[in-house]
Amino acid sequence: DAGVIQSPRHEVTEMGQEVTLRCKPISGHNSLFWYRQTMMRGLELLIYFNNNVPIDDSGMPEDRFSAKMPNASFSTLKIQPSEPRDSAVYFCASSLRSQSNQPQHFGDGTRLSIL
Amino acid sequence: SQQGEEDPQALSIQEGENATMNCSYKTSINNLQWYRQNSGRGLVHLILIRSNEREKHSGRLRVTLDTSKKSSSLLITASRAADTASYFCATDGRYGNKLVFGAGTILRVKS
Repeated sequence: DAGVIQSPRHEVTEMGQEVTLRCKPISGHNSLFWYRQTMMRGLELLIYFNNNVPIDDSGMPEDRFSAKMPNASFSTLKIQPSEPRDSAVYFCASSLRSQSNQPQHFGDGTRLSIL
Repeated sequence: SQQGEEDPQALSIQEGENATMNCSYKTSINNLQWYRQNSGRGLVHLILIRSNEREKHSGRLRVTLDTSKKSSSLLITASRAADTASYFCATDGRYGNKLVFGAGTILRVKS
Protein backbone atom coordinates (compact mmCIF):
# COMPACT_ATOMS: atom_id res chain seq x y z
CA ASP A 1 0.00 0.00 0.00
CA ALA A 2 1.20 3.50 -0.75
CA GLY A 3 2.13 5.56 2.25
CA VAL A 4 1.76 9.29 2.72
CA ILE A 5 3.17 11.04 -0.33
CA GLN A 6 4.68 14.49 -0.13
CA SER A 7 5.98 16.73 -2.88
CA PRO A 8 8.37 18.21 -3.60
CA ARG A 9 11.05 16.39 -1.55
CA HIS A 10 13.30 19.41 -1.71
CA GLU A 11 12.56 23.06 -2.37
CA VAL A 12 15.03 25.92 -2.56
CA THR A 13 13.65 29.36 -3.18
CA GLU A 14 14.38 32.99 -2.50
CA MET A 15 12.94 35.03 0.31
CA GLY A 16 9.60 36.58 -0.58
CA GLN A 17 8.54 33.82 -2.95
CA GLU A 18 5.40 31.76 -2.47
CA VAL A 19 5.95 28.14 -1.49
CA THR A 20 3.38 25.38 -1.81
CA LEU A 21 3.89 21.99 -0.21
CA ARG A 22 1.66 19.09 -1.15
CA CYS A 23 0.46 15.97 0.61
CA LYS A 24 -1.53 12.90 -0.32
CA PRO A 25 -2.66 10.98 2.76
CA ILE A 26 -3.21 7.26 2.98
CA SER A 27 -6.51 6.32 1.41
CA GLY A 28 -9.23 5.86 4.03
CA HIS A 29 -7.49 7.94 6.67
CA ASN A 30 -9.72 10.67 8.08
CA SER A 31 -7.14 12.83 9.84
CA LEU A 32 -4.23 14.77 8.39
CA PHE A 33 -1.48 16.60 10.24
CA TRP A 34 1.17 19.10 9.14
CA TYR A 35 4.39 19.29 11.20
CA ARG A 36 7.57 21.31 10.98
CA GLN A 37 10.92 19.93 12.18
CA THR A 38 13.95 22.06 13.02
CA MET A 39 17.04 21.45 15.13
CA MET A 40 16.12 24.27 17.48
CA ARG A 41 12.44 23.55 18.05
CA GLY A 42 12.12 19.85 17.22
CA LEU A 43 8.89 18.56 15.72
CA GLU A 44 5.99 21.01 15.99
CA LEU A 45 2.38 20.47 14.98
CA LEU A 46 1.21 23.27 12.72
CA ILE A 47 -2.36 22.27 11.93
CA TYR A 48 -4.56 19.20 11.72
CA PHE A 49 -7.69 18.31 9.78
CA ASN A 50 -10.42 15.84 10.52
CA ASN A 51 -12.66 14.81 7.62
CA ASN A 52 -11.13 17.65 5.56
CA VAL A 53 -12.08 20.29 8.16
CA PRO A 54 -9.34 22.23 10.00
CA ILE A 55 -9.68 21.43 13.68
CA ASP A 56 -6.72 23.12 15.31
CA ASP A 57 -4.41 25.64 13.63
CA SER A 58 -2.94 27.06 16.82
CA GLY A 59 0.52 25.92 15.76
CA MET A 60 0.55 27.92 12.54
CA PRO A 61 3.29 30.47 13.15
CA GLU A 62 1.66 33.49 11.52
CA ASP A 63 -0.63 34.67 8.77
CA ARG A 64 1.96 33.92 6.14
CA PHE A 65 1.12 30.24 6.61
CA SER A 66 -2.11 28.71 5.32
CA ALA A 67 -3.30 25.15 4.81
CA LYS A 68 -6.16 23.66 2.86
CA MET A 69 -7.67 20.26 2.38
CA PRO A 70 -10.08 20.47 -0.57
CA ASN A 71 -10.78 16.72 -0.54
CA ALA A 72 -9.89 13.57 1.35
CA SER A 73 -6.89 12.79 -0.83
CA PHE A 74 -5.05 16.10 -1.01
CA SER A 75 -3.77 18.88 1.22
CA THR A 76 -1.52 21.89 0.72
CA LEU A 77 0.55 24.02 3.04
CA LYS A 78 1.36 27.44 1.61
CA ILE A 79 3.83 30.05 2.80
CA GLN A 80 3.51 33.52 1.32
CA PRO A 81 5.78 35.39 1.49
CA SER A 82 8.52 33.02 2.58
CA GLU A 83 11.32 34.04 4.94
CA PRO A 84 14.71 32.43 5.74
CA ARG A 85 13.43 31.42 9.20
CA ASP A 86 10.85 29.20 7.51
CA SER A 87 13.66 26.87 6.43
CA ALA A 88 12.87 23.46 7.92
CA VAL A 89 11.63 20.00 7.06
CA TYR A 90 7.86 19.92 6.73
CA PHE A 91 6.08 16.64 7.34
CA CYS A 92 2.58 15.54 6.56
CA ALA A 93 1.07 12.65 8.49
CA SER A 94 -2.27 10.88 8.39
CA SER A 95 -4.17 8.60 10.73
CA LEU A 96 -7.31 6.56 10.55
CA ARG A 97 -9.03 8.79 13.09
CA SER A 98 -8.02 11.89 14.98
CA GLN A 99 -7.93 10.31 18.45
CA SER A 100 -4.54 10.22 20.15
CA ASN A 101 -4.65 6.44 20.40
CA GLN A 102 -4.14 6.21 16.66
CA PRO A 103 -0.68 5.80 15.14
CA GLN A 104 0.26 8.52 12.71
CA HIS A 105 1.82 7.65 9.36
CA PHE A 106 4.36 10.16 8.14
CA GLY A 107 5.54 11.07 4.68
CA ASP A 108 9.23 11.55 4.02
CA GLY A 109 8.93 15.31 4.25
CA THR A 110 9.78 18.36 2.20
CA ARG A 111 13.14 19.93 2.98
CA LEU A 112 12.59 23.66 2.46
CA SER A 113 15.43 26.14 2.18
CA ILE A 114 14.64 29.84 1.91
CA LEU A 115 17.62 31.90 0.77
CA SER B 1 7.08 23.71 25.50
CA GLN B 2 7.48 20.04 24.77
CA GLN B 3 5.45 17.55 26.72
CA GLY B 4 7.87 14.64 26.39
CA GLU B 5 11.58 14.88 27.00
CA GLU B 6 13.89 12.00 26.10
CA ASP B 7 17.19 11.10 27.61
CA PRO B 8 19.90 10.50 26.81
CA GLN B 9 20.14 12.93 23.91
CA ALA B 10 22.54 10.54 22.19
CA LEU B 11 23.54 6.93 22.73
CA SER B 12 26.27 4.91 21.05
CA ILE B 13 26.44 1.13 21.54
CA GLN B 14 27.87 -1.97 19.92
CA GLU B 15 25.77 -4.29 17.84
CA GLY B 16 24.20 -6.95 20.02
CA GLU B 17 23.94 -4.74 23.10
CA ASN B 18 20.68 -3.46 24.51
CA ALA B 19 19.65 0.17 24.17
CA THR B 20 17.45 1.95 26.67
CA MET B 21 15.89 5.34 26.08
CA ASN B 22 13.77 7.26 28.56
CA CYS B 23 10.95 9.74 28.19
CA SER B 24 9.56 12.02 30.87
CA TYR B 25 6.45 14.13 30.57
CA LYS B 26 4.73 16.80 32.62
CA THR B 27 0.96 16.28 32.62
CA SER B 28 -1.39 13.33 32.80
CA ILE B 29 -1.71 11.36 29.58
CA ASN B 30 -4.10 8.95 27.93
CA ASN B 31 -1.57 7.38 25.60
CA LEU B 32 2.14 7.49 24.88
CA GLN B 33 3.66 6.51 21.56
CA TRP B 34 7.20 5.81 20.40
CA TYR B 35 8.43 6.60 16.91
CA ARG B 36 11.66 6.01 14.98
CA GLN B 37 13.14 8.36 12.38
CA ASN B 38 15.89 7.27 10.03
CA SER B 39 18.06 9.98 8.55
CA GLY B 40 16.26 11.89 5.82
CA ARG B 41 12.99 10.01 6.31
CA GLY B 42 9.68 10.49 8.07
CA LEU B 43 8.79 9.14 11.48
CA VAL B 44 7.65 5.55 11.77
CA HIS B 45 5.29 4.43 14.52
CA LEU B 46 6.76 1.73 16.74
CA ILE B 47 4.43 1.11 19.64
CA LEU B 48 1.61 2.68 21.65
CA ILE B 49 1.04 2.20 25.35
CA ARG B 50 -2.11 3.29 27.15
CA SER B 51 -2.12 4.97 30.55
CA ASN B 52 -3.60 1.86 32.17
CA GLU B 53 -0.84 -0.38 30.80
CA ARG B 54 2.53 -0.85 32.47
CA GLU B 55 4.45 -2.79 29.86
CA LYS B 56 4.17 -3.71 26.23
CA HIS B 57 6.28 -5.79 23.86
CA SER B 58 6.68 -5.83 20.11
CA GLY B 59 9.43 -8.04 18.72
CA ARG B 60 12.74 -6.73 20.13
CA LEU B 61 11.02 -3.67 21.61
CA ARG B 62 9.86 -3.38 25.19
CA VAL B 63 8.10 -0.28 26.46
CA THR B 64 7.29 0.46 30.07
CA LEU B 65 5.14 3.21 31.49
CA ASP B 66 5.16 4.56 35.04
CA THR B 67 2.38 7.11 35.34
CA SER B 68 3.29 7.89 38.97
CA LYS B 69 6.71 9.08 37.80
CA LYS B 70 5.39 10.40 34.50
CA SER B 71 7.99 8.46 32.60
CA SER B 72 8.36 5.77 29.96
CA SER B 73 11.27 3.76 28.68
CA LEU B 74 11.96 2.06 25.36
CA LEU B 75 14.27 -0.95 25.40
CA ILE B 76 15.68 -2.35 22.18
CA THR B 77 17.24 -5.74 22.77
CA ALA B 78 20.05 -7.29 20.72
CA SER B 79 20.54 -4.10 18.72
CA ARG B 80 21.49 -4.12 15.06
CA ALA B 81 23.21 -1.55 12.88
CA ALA B 82 19.83 -0.99 11.19
CA ASP B 83 18.45 0.29 14.52
CA THR B 84 20.60 3.42 14.09
CA ALA B 85 18.04 6.23 14.07
CA SER B 86 16.44 8.91 16.23
CA TYR B 87 13.73 7.78 18.63
CA PHE B 88 10.91 10.01 19.81
CA CYS B 89 8.19 9.70 22.40
CA ALA B 90 4.88 11.45 21.83
CA THR B 91 2.19 12.17 24.37
CA ASP B 92 -1.33 13.55 24.39
CA GLY B 93 -2.66 14.53 27.79
CA ARG B 94 -4.15 17.98 28.01
CA TYR B 95 -3.58 18.43 24.30
CA GLY B 96 -6.49 16.15 23.57
CA ASN B 97 -6.19 14.58 20.17
CA LYS B 98 -2.89 16.22 19.40
CA LEU B 99 0.44 14.51 19.95
CA VAL B 100 3.40 16.44 21.29
CA PHE B 101 6.80 15.01 20.44
CA GLY B 102 9.92 15.12 22.54
CA ALA B 103 13.34 16.20 21.29
CA GLY B 104 14.40 12.62 20.61
CA THR B 105 17.31 10.32 21.37
CA ILE B 106 19.89 9.71 18.64
CA LEU B 107 20.91 6.05 18.72
CA ARG B 108 24.00 4.84 16.92
CA VAL B 109 24.64 1.11 16.75
CA LYS B 110 28.19 0.26 15.71
CA SER B 111 28.88 -2.95 13.84
